[in-house]
Amino acid sequence: KQEVTQIPAALSVPEGENLVLNCSFTDSAIYNLQWFRQDPGKGLTSLLLIQSSQREQTSGRLNASLDKSSGRSTLYIAASQPGDSATYLCAVPGGGNKLTFGTGTQLKVEL
Amino acid sequence: DTGVSQDPRHKITKRGQNVTFRCDPISEHNRLYWYRQTLGQGPEFLTYFQNEAQLEKSRLLSDRFSAERPKGSFSTLEIQRTEQGDSAMYLCASSFGTAGTGATGELFFGEGSRLTVL
Repeated sequence: KQEVTQIPAALSVPEGENLVLNCSFTDSAIYNLQWFRQDPGKGLTSLLLIQSSQREQTSGRLNASLDKSSGRSTLYIAASQPGDSATYLCAVPGGGNKLTFGTGTQLKVEL
Repeated sequence: DTGVSQDPRHKITKRGQNVTFRCDPISEHNRLYWYRQTLGQGPEFLTYFQNEAQLEKSRLLSDRFSAERPKGSFSTLEIQRTEQGDSAMYLCASSFGTAGTGATGELFFGEGSRLTVL
């Protein structure tokens, strides 16, 4: 059974800081890994999708890396802004056609 | 394309009543998923459709829950005889995937339907 862990559970940083969010998964036989952002009371917004053949994917100030063999992914956020405050979730295929999610990292970027 | 749409956004009901949620996926997507999310947790898989066929259901989906996707377009999730434990955010997602493969493709979620059972 696929299990996903995200560390830290919560993070508070000053504006402008670079930061790294971590995601680990137990079953490395995955097609891809997806990072999402969720604002309070809202749905999930897809940030990045990394295919299993890729090692990293970039979108603006976001960079996600994937190391399948060690069962790890990181999401790097450069020059953080207050608008980046949200919960960040990673998800991997969990058997069949479903995604298994971590519980997320709640990020607060302070002025 | 306006993305995945869900309706209603909020529903408050009394225990024992039936509720129905609707999801309109991105038009070219053939896969549709329902997830449930409670406070502080990640979304949990409920069920999955490939076109109009319901191919997978979670054990979380008790016999009080039923989902349909007629004609492979919009989907409905009905909860009968609601219980307080059903209170959660119900999320719909869609993706495009090649039939016969296990790859999920990139999932796009709607804004969710929040259910409160009194």
